[in-house]
Amino acid sequence: ELKVEQNPLFLSMQEGKNYTIYCNYSTTSDRLYWYRQDPGKSLESLFVLLSNGAVKQEGRLMASLDTKARLSTLHITAAVHDLSATYFCAVGPVTGANSKLTFGKGITLSVRP
Amino acid sequence: EAQVTQNPRYLITVTGKKLTVTCSQNMNHEYMSWYRQDPGLGLRQIYYSMNVEVTDKGDVPEGYKVSRKEKRNFPLILESPSPNQTSLYFCASSSPAGNTDTQYFGPGTRLTVL
Repeated sequence: ELKVEQNPLFLSMQEGKNYTIYCNYSTTSDRLYWYRQDPGKSLESLFVLLSNGAVKQEGRLMASLDTKARLSTLHITAAVHDLSATYFCAVGPVTGANSKLTFGKGITLSVRP
Repeated sequence: EAQVTQNPRYLITVTGKKLTVTCSQNMNHEYMSWYRQDPGLGLRQIYYSMNVEVTDKGDVPEGYKVSRKEKRNFPLILESPSPNQTSLYFCASSSPAGNTDTQYFGPGTRLTVL
């Protein structure tokens, strides 16, 4: 059974500082997704990582995937208040069907001045 | 505008009263899924469909039914709702093609079963 773990589950960040959050998964996969959810809202796709060593960047966020370690990291550069949200990673089966995703429990980020 | 729509957005019902939550997408996506989101548990997949008339159970299918008679629609049916099905439900769709194969989520349906 595929398990996806995210840590920490809650992170209080200071504006302007850098942080990294992690997503571990338990079985072989080569596709990992990051989503953002604002309170009371739906999920918004951030990154799609489809191979070992994949790195994607958007603004202050950079995501990477290490399939050998079964680990994805989301690095935050110079945190700003707008990044306060809950971030989910999700892992798909190695067969490639993105319809069958297993989500982590999410990491809630809060950026303070 | 490309989107996934769900109806209703909010629903309060009573135990045992059959209900259907509709989901529709206008992106011609093959894949569609239903998730429930509960505090501390993240999102858990209920059912998914890889094409018309092709559906399969996710991680928490008990108490739910789905159908996929048309590509754009994927309704979630609760034949006899119970209080433990009180949750926030999301429908999602995706396409297997290309490098942007992410899931697009609907706005959510908040269901309360009394």
